[in-house]
Amino acid sequence: QSALTQPASVSGSPGQSITISCTGTSTDIGTYNFVSWYQHHPGKAPQLMIYDVSNRPSGVSNRFSGSKSGNTASLTISGLQAEDEADYYCCSYTSAEKRVFGTGTKVTVL
Amino acid sequence: QVQLVQSGAEVKKPGASVKFSCKASGYTFTSYYIHWVRQAPGQGLEWMGIINPLSGTTDLAQNFQGRVTMTRDTSTSTVYMELSSLRFEDTAVYYCATDPSNYYMLAWGKGTTVTVSS
Repeated sequence: QSALTQPASVSGSPGQSITISCTGTSTDIGTYNFVSWYQHHPGKAPQLMIYDVSNRPSGVSNRFSGSKSGNTASLTISGLQAEDEADYYCCSYTSAEKRVFGTGTKVTVL
Repeated sequence: QVQLVQSGAEVKKPGASVKFSCKASGYTFTSYYIHWVRQAPGQGLEWMGIINPLSGTTDLAQNFQGRVTMTRDTSTSTVYMELSSLRFEDTAVYYCATDPSNYYMLAWGKGTTVTVSS
């Protein structure tokens, strides 16, 4: 199972919106609504930001939203803040009953 | 609140084995699955496998089949993962994470660093 494809980096100015894409195949994202997104600050534990494509866990800012179209899922961060600077990973359930992470995206707040 | 406490850092030689622990608290241990995920230096997250603490059944990523064993001790709410035949490229931070649904990782431990060095 190959990793899901994410852009290596995305940047934006404070207050702007950015979108991170996560492209898979018909054996993962394209078939299942079990896409999750994780924020990872280096040296800390990853944090769940979105689950089941578009659901936010309790405590996660509503500036974070998720969606899916075909084989591609997306994470949008609106009202970008300095604290959002981190690595972001998508993850999907697969037809082999496994999980696969994306390649990761470094978000930089300019 | 859900909390996962992982074992401390390890240094191992190639060919050796390492056993990680992950002690859960703040919820009913047998109600949530637990995943293991690792991150090698400069690399992304890699899913290793999942264990059902209720039944003990496991499902491993293909890359780790034959080298990883996951077990649990319900009396201490602890999950263990053993990685054998260590290689230099197994140097990484290893995380455990709880999953209430089988489809996402709700809460994560702080990670255990393993260094494989001769």
